[in-house]
Amino acid sequence: GENVEQHPSTLSVQEGDSAVIKCTYSDSASNYFPWYKQELGKGPQLIIDIRSNVGEKKDQRIAVTLNKTAKHFSLHITETQPEDSAVYFCAAAGNSGNTPLVFGKGTRLSVIA
Amino acid sequence: GAVVSQHPSRVICKSGTSVKIECRSLDFQATTMFWYRQFPKQSLMLMATSNEGSKATYEQGVEKDKFLINHASLTLSTLTVTSAHPEDSSFYICSARDQGKYYGYTFGSGTRLTVV
Repeated sequence: GENVEQHPSTLSVQEGDSAVIKCTYSDSASNYFPWYKQELGKGPQLIIDIRSNVGEKKDQRIAVTLNKTAKHFSLHITETQPEDSAVYFCAAAGNSGNTPLVFGKGTRLSVIA
Repeated sequence: GAVVSQHPSRVICKSGTSVKIECRSLDFQATTMFWYRQFPKQSLMLMATSNEGSKATYEQGVEKDKFLINHASLTLSTLTVTSAHPEDSSFYICSARDQGKYYGYTFGSGTRLTVV
């Protein structure tokens, strides 16, 4: 089955700096790669996703890149703000409707004002 | 967009009792729902895949007789934790995939279960 590795487990950045979180996956059949932000006591919220036919996607301060050959994808947050502080999870899934998302272990991002 | 409503958000129960958690897809039909468990400071771990009208598929190590899943309609799946023990205390989250939105997964807001 799919295995998703995520690094780093914790990340501290100064406000205004960029943050990068990296994930690798094992199953070449996976073709959907979302990123979630989870705040304490809440369910995960989708912040951006990418499909395997695309190499990069950007939404304002957030971008995701995908390298299918190397089986890795990354989240980039620019101009970080204190409200970006949360736990971020990457995930991977295949095409079938009954395929669950497999999550990385998460990255706790702290943005220091 | 697609919404999954999960209830209750918090529940405290006594050891030995059972607790039911509901997840409803509000604006789409969910043929498949996924149930995850999340312990403090850990990731979401898949417990089972629930398919409407058929038996759920459980992940290795998850006791199907303890975690009963029912997916009786295209909009409702329930997870019942039977004979709960303190070690079952966790954050339970459901997710559904909107077949109308290619690749989209929607998560419920989660249920914090505390067994005392």
